[in-house]
Amino acid sequence: DTGVSQDPRHKITKRGQNVTFRCDPISEHNRLYWYRQTLGQGPEFLTYFQNEAQLEKSRLLSDRFSAERPKGSFSTLEIQRTEQGDSAMYLCASSLSAAGAGSNEQFFGPGTRLTVL
Amino acid sequence: GEDVEQSLFLSVREGDSSVINCTYTDSSSTYLYWYKQEPGAGLQLLTYIFSNMDMKQDQRLTVLLNKKDKHLSLRIADTQTGDSAIYFCAEILSGGSYIPTFGRGTSLIVHP
Repeated sequence: DTGVSQDPRHKITKRGQNVTFRCDPISEHNRLYWYRQTLGQGPEFLTYFQNEAQLEKSRLLSDRFSAERPKGSFSTLEIQRTEQGDSAMYLCASSLSAAGAGSNEQFFGPGTRLTVL
Repeated sequence: GEDVEQSLFLSVREGDSSVINCTYTDSSSTYLYWYKQEPGAGLQLLTYIFSNMDMKQDQRLTVLLNKKDKHLSLRIADTQTGDSAIYFCAEILSGGSYIPTFGRGTSLIVHP
């Protein structure tokens, strides 16, 4: 399977614990995005990388959230001191960005569902 | 500002056409997308339209864009039970970082 993969698919944690999610993009894609999706809402942008550089962060990304993409391939999203309001689906997407690339189609992974008790 | 709105639910009979509507507020949108999300899964891009187009057809899917009214629609011909899912409209603004703004999604229910 050469699509976007995410691990774990489900995570249940207690309030105050730290969690880390991983995303493996499509191998030739240079852009990687993180989104959060809550019930009844569309995905909300959190942050994105072009290669290893984190180029933009949403104001939704509080200082408890940190994302990395150290070698420009896989990425991790860490949430420290989780709160119940962090419960959501965390989606990763990747795309190939190049001059004249057209639609910049993003390919989404299946998501990691986080439940904070 | 950016705001993408969709009606929340649509129910159709199998074999009928479905029309899912979306309105957006930013006239500088360049690309407009339709994504499909099945339960427990990520989003799948169905189709997109560039803002200088009025219509795009792709097999059973027809996208209509009315730029004057900032209205986008997705028509699914001969709707099947496998089309039951949540459909998201999204826009990308010009001159930006190609980050889409999504609507809340329309839940399409197809019944026999």
